[in-house]
Amino acid sequence: EAGVAQSPRYKIIEKRQSVAFWCNPISGHATLYWYQQILGQGPKLLIQFQNNGVVDDSQLPKDRFSAERLKGVDSTLKIQPAKLEDSAVYLCASNSPGGAGTGELFFGEGSRLTVL
Amino acid sequence: TQLLEQSPQFLSIQEGENLTVYCNSSSVFSSLQWYRQEPGEGPVLLVTVVTGGEVKKLKRLTFQFGDARKDSSLHITAAQPGDTGLYLCAGANTGNQFYFGTGTSLTVIP
Repeated sequence: EAGVAQSPRYKIIEKRQSVAFWCNPISGHATLYWYQQILGQGPKLLIQFQNNGVVDDSQLPKDRFSAERLKGVDSTLKIQPAKLEDSAVYLCASNSPGGAGTGELFFGEGSRLTVL
Repeated sequence: TQLLEQSPQFLSIQEGENLTVYCNSSSVFSSLQWYRQEPGEGPVLLVTVVTGGEVKKLKRLTFQFGDARKDSSLHITAAQPGDTGLYLCAGANTGNQFYFGTGTSLTVIP
């Protein structure tokens, strides 16, 4: 079974530029998450999708971050314009079916963003 | 935001020693999970605990969920260099939101 795919693995941009990250979850996983992980810290939930609908985006900085999952499969996370503090690893995860709050999160390898 | 604090933040021990990592929150969760993350990779699930007071053992790892379902601990017996990594607790609610702890970076020295 193929895992969660993310691209690009690494991206370096100047502040105020834009960047987009792509995620393809495990086939059949309806729930998809984007997390931001700053070096040495735990992942912070940015947005949760159920199929192509947003379930929770309360921690997404909506003035600069946007995300979509148009067909309920692939997802894109965009940052525009980027700030220095956006330097982090952006992790995508999909959730295997399970009871409420008991499913397993499967993560991709992440996209490491450096903003100069 | 549901905050989960882990302690200690960093831990460096000799091979063969025992250790305990703590995960504390003021929130009640449906379940509590523990993940391990290695450099350049995403976190990988170790265990899920659901019932208050539950204890699960996975070889040399013992996980406990607090009676009030707000806190958890991870105990490793006879640590090995292969246990090195970032250990993360994650609390989940019924809406399937998973909130991660602050992380504990473990280094086991051969």
